[in-house]
Amino acid sequence: AQKVTQAQTEISVVEKEDVTLDCVYETRDTTYYLFWYKQPPSGELVFLIRRNSFDEQNEISGRYSWNFQKSTSSFNFTITASQVVDSAVYFCALKGPMNRDDKIIFGKGTRLHILP
Amino acid sequence: DAGVIQSPRHEVTEMGQEVTLRCKPISGHDYLFWYRQTMMRGLELLIYFNNNVPIDDSGMPEDRFSAKMPNASFSTLKIQPSEPRDSAVYFCACYATLMGTEAFFGQGTRLTVV
Repeated sequence: AQKVTQAQTEISVVEKEDVTLDCVYETRDTTYYLFWYKQPPSGELVFLIRRNSFDEQNEISGRYSWNFQKSTSSFNFTITASQVVDSAVYFCALKGPMNRDDKIIFGKGTRLHILP
Repeated sequence: DAGVIQSPRHEVTEMGQEVTLRCKPISGHDYLFWYRQTMMRGLELLIYFNNNVPIDDSGMPEDRFSAKMPNASFSTLKIQPSEPRDSAVYFCACYATLMGTEAFFGQGTRLTVV
C-alpha cells in the first residue's frame, strides 16, 4: 500500500531562517510520482512541484529546493531565507504509475509558521 | 482556462438536509477527484473518475454520500441526509493524463452542518 508520512505536524521559525519540511513515502512501485502542495491561510491548494521516480536530480526554484533520495524514500522540501508569506500548510503527495494507480495520496501536512 | 470551479464556496445547512456540491473541472482534464479535508483526518480521497466513469469510490464514507459525473465538464457530490460530522472542506481536483500527473484543485466548498 502507498503511504506518505510527514512527521512534523507544526514548525515555527523566525523570518530569514532556513527550514526543511520532511516527507517519507512508502510504495512498492518502481515508477511513481511525488508532489508538494502549499495551502496558504486562504485555503486553496497550490501545486509546487512534481518529481518522477526515475529522476533523482534535486531541484531549485528561487528560495525553494527539493531533495529527492530514493535510498531513504524521502522527498524533503527546504525554504531558504523564509518569509512571512511562506506561512502555510505544506502537503507532500504520492501517485503510482500511470494507467495502473491513478490516485494521489496526501500526507497529513506540516503547518509552517514564519514569525516576523 | 479559469481553473477548477467549485460551488458553492460556503454552505451551511441543517442536519438531515440534502447537500449538493458542484465542480467544473479544467477543460480536457480526464481525471476528476473529490477530497474531504478535516483537522482530524487531513485530506481524504472520497472518489475519483476517469473520463466520467467512477473508478474508485472506496473512500466514500457512507451510503449517504454519492457522486456523479454526467459529462466531462461537470460533477456533483451529494450528501443525503447530512450530519454534523460531515462538516469539512470539500475539494474537487483534476488532472490531464497527457499533460502531467499533478492535480489542480478548486477553491473548495466549506460545508457546515448544524
